[in-house]
Amino acid sequence: DTEVTQTPKHLVMGMTNKKSLKCEQHMGHRAMYWYKQKAKKPPELMFVYSYEKLSINESVPSRFSPECPNSSLLNLHLHALQPEDSALYLCASSQGSSGANVLTFGAGSRLTVL
Amino acid sequence: GQNIDQPTEMTATEGAIVQINCTYQTSGFNGLFWYQQHAGEAPTFLSYNVLDGLEEKGRFSSFLSRSKGYSYLLLKELQMKDSASYLCAVRDNNAGNMLTFGGGTRLMVKP
Repeated sequence: DTEVTQTPKHLVMGMTNKKSLKCEQHMGHRAMYWYKQKAKKPPELMFVYSYEKLSINESVPSRFSPECPNSSLLNLHLHALQPEDSALYLCASSQGSSGANVLTFGAGSRLTVL
Repeated sequence: GQNIDQPTEMTATEGAIVQINCTYQTSGFNGLFWYQQHAGEAPTFLSYNVLDGLEEKGRFSSFLSRSKGYSYLLLKELQMKDSASYLCAVRDNNAGNMLTFGGGTRLMVKP
């Protein structure tokens, strides 16, 4: 299995809703990432988990809450989002988090906040 | 911080060769990656350079000059399916070894 699987593919939510994005990989990768990508812009790093511990939080607002229940799963809990949070949310994983380690991306979850 | 610059858009003809340039400024360079991203899809890995020189992979090659802070991606025998965004990304030792992406170059291949 060489894939990163993200669900749901599309999500529409109101500003008062609570929802979660899910990501799963079975490649034995020990680093997992959340990126946010707006249209025609590059991916921007949000969070990094290394060996199931949060290692990097790029000053992301607390309305985004990551969780890594085990080495294969990564969640992003969403609460009280704003319309400007609408974007493609990409999950990625890599063997490690340095040097030549290649990131494998999931297909993304396209989020629309009304 | 890092500055990674790429042209915003390029157009080329099917069957031709195109070179996409990337310049970067970083304090702790630890590798440069090229990714391809079709509209609405995930980025997919194309190439990795950490030492100076050319890396060739089929129709795609990537070059790095660390002293100049410069890389290019060369695409040969262009096909229509090569129409996509090409993202240059740099790993920095002094930024938690994380990848920072350039703005991407949108390549349009015309018949």
